[in-house]
Amino acid sequence: VQLVESGGGLVKPGGSLRLSCAASGFTFSSYNMNWVRQTPGRGLEWVASISRSTNYIYYADSLKGRFTISRDNVKNLLYLQMNSLRVEDTAVYYCVRDAYASSWFSNWFDPWGQGTLVTVSS
Amino acid sequence: EIVLTQSPATLSLSPGERATLSCRASQSLNTYLAWYQQKPGQAPRLLIYDASNRATGVPARFTGSGSGTDFTLTISSLEPEDFGVYYCQQRSNSPPECTFGGGTKVEIK
Repeated sequence: VQLVESGGGLVKPGGSLRLSCAASGFTFSSYNMNWVRQTPGRGLEWVASISRSTNYIYYADSLKGRFTISRDNVKNLLYLQMNSLRVEDTAVYYCVRDAYASSWFSNWFDPWGQGTLVTVSS
Repeated sequence: EIVLTQSPATLSLSPGERATLSCRASQSLNTYLAWYQQKPGQAPRLLIYDASNRATGVPARFTGSGSGTDFTLTISSLEPEDFGVYYCQQRSNSPPECTFGGGTKVEIK
């Protein structure tokens, strides 16, 4: 099982960035997927989740309207479109799989990708 | 939002010693709590799920316990590879919002 994030980098405040996560080693379309970010100041913070069939999508309240999670079950890819980026969005963003395949979201996460660093700075 | 409070923030111990980490929830979680281990430069790794079940490949020296609002992760005898940061985590059922504790750093004394 492998999750490999890409797309991170340096972006100016107000800019946009799209993160990708390539999944392999499991049946991607059977699992709900998530994005979690980590900063030194705020620790681990759940960002968004998407069900395996894309029927259900949820975001952290603080991010609604700026971030969009999506997936491509043919290409085995998870995405996070980030708009109107702020300095406080600077973080390592992890692609994370639900621990078990289910129609509803599992209570824990396993495994995690290695993360991609997003830096928002002028 | 359910808040998870971990204590202590830092635990300074020697190899071979016992480590006891605490996670307290602002609302009852039944047993729906997980623990993760994170080493420097690495992603978190699932250690314990459903409060007391070890994930695949996790050594028996790691034990999770608790229910309701109080949970404990015990490392019976610290090995050099156990030093790192440990996080607890919960997820609500609907909406499936997730929160993490602030972490406990287990460092070499």
